[in-house]
Amino acid sequence: DTGVSQDPRHKITKRGQNVTFRCDPISEHNRLYWYRQTLGQGPEFLTYFQNEAQLEKSRLLSDRFSAERPKGSFSTLEIQRTEQGDSAMYLCASSWSLAANTGELFFGEGSRLTVL
Amino acid sequence: GENVEQHPSTLSVQEGDSAVIKCTYSDSASNYFPWYKQELGKRPQLIIDIRSNVGEKKDQRIAVTLNKTAKHFSLHITETQPEDSAVYFCAASKSGGSYIPTFGRGTSLIVHP
Repeated sequence: DTGVSQDPRHKITKRGQNVTFRCDPISEHNRLYWYRQTLGQGPEFLTYFQNEAQLEKSRLLSDRFSAERPKGSFSTLEIQRTEQGDSAMYLCASSWSLAANTGELFFGEGSRLTVL
Repeated sequence: GENVEQHPSTLSVQEGDSAVIKCTYSDSASNYFPWYKQELGKRPQLIIDIRSNVGEKKDQRIAVTLNKTAKHFSLHITETQPEDSAVYFCAASKSGGSYIPTFGRGTSLIVHP
């Protein structure tokens, strides 16, 4: 296991199209997070799963965004009817909630979305 | 919700100098404060963290201090090296339950050789 992986790394789409990103967390991690990062900003929380349950969603997450984590393994983030304002880096992170060092997030390298 | 402010946004130092990055948080219940380093084009990685029952923590050239009363914490890097050049993010959260870190906007540290 080499860490958190995300796919695709880059996606260019036209406004109005749907896009889906995938995240494969570190296998023994039970928590999975999605963050969005724009230029010059820190990561902004979008949503969070513990195992397969989606426990929290940010108010930033409009109805066009949906995330799933079937079977508590990989996760997908789908954006419907993309808008130019959705252009950002979408970061996935995972963690193990019961570890002694609980709290450390292990990030993937991100999926960069450009909406034309 | 939690709000984390981070300053400065950009910090330029000469190799060998010290660098200090400061963050403030709003939620007095926050008790876990990690710092992440993000090199250009790479993923953020944890470099040091501190919990609210500790006032200071050191790891070689980096240290973090926490003032719970004032709700601020700082990252200190001594004897900076060019490979320290990166964006540094502070974060704050409440451990246990729905642990969701809130990040600062980041500080771009540039270390000139």
